[in-house]
Amino acid sequence: AQTVTQSQPEMSVQEAETVTLSCTYDTSESDYYLFWYKQPPSRQMILVIRQEAYKQQNATENRFSVNFQKAAKSFSLKISDSQLGDAAMYFCAYRGVSSGTYKYIFGTGTRLKVLA
Amino acid sequence: EAGVTQFPSHSVIEKGQTVTLRCDPISGHDNLYWYRRVMGKEIKFLLHFVKESKQDESGMPNNRFLAERTGGTYSTLKVQPAELEDSGVYFCASSLTPTGGLYGYTFGSGTRLTVV
Repeated sequence: AQTVTQSQPEMSVQEAETVTLSCTYDTSESDYYLFWYKQPPSRQMILVIRQEAYKQQNATENRFSVNFQKAAKSFSLKISDSQLGDAAMYFCAYRGVSSGTYKYIFGTGTRLKVLA
Repeated sequence: EAGVTQFPSHSVIEKGQTVTLRCDPISGHDNLYWYRRVMGKEIKFLLHFVKESKQDESGMPNNRFLAERTGGTYSTLKVQPAELEDSGVYFCASSLTPTGGLYGYTFGSGTRLTVV
């Protein structure tokens, strides 16, 4: 069975600095998608960034980028120039392609605090 | 467009009582998902509807949980009778396609259920 591990329950970053959130996963599938979702306090989860496993190039979305290491099964999220609005729970998620199901496998989340 | 709406946002009930959670997906989204996060743990998949049919209900924990989606519009998740371990945040998500496309699923803000 697939698993997703986020080993950092909480992280802090100074405003304007850079922070990296870790995520590792385990799967026997060769094709899959990886996601980072952000959930601000009492608000809905929104997609931050996604990565297709067959793409070697790391995905980027403005200040958000990933370091995808397929062999190591690692998928970290880098937030550059951190802003107060980045404070949220961040969830790493996996979705297989060949398993015949569309469910996401989530990690336990990392709470990011941004210090002014 | 309106987002995914869940209500109530919070519910506190006594063990043994019944609670019904409701999710209104984005209009036109055939795919609707329920997930649950028990405090401090990962977000876990419960089930996936395509229109009014249950595509995948492999994550439903036991027969105290009943999900319905009459007419393929809104969905309800009933817990009867509730137990202490049912406490957590219940998320609903919807999408046009089963995979969620480029932007992933659209999540609601969740219902925080506390069973005392």
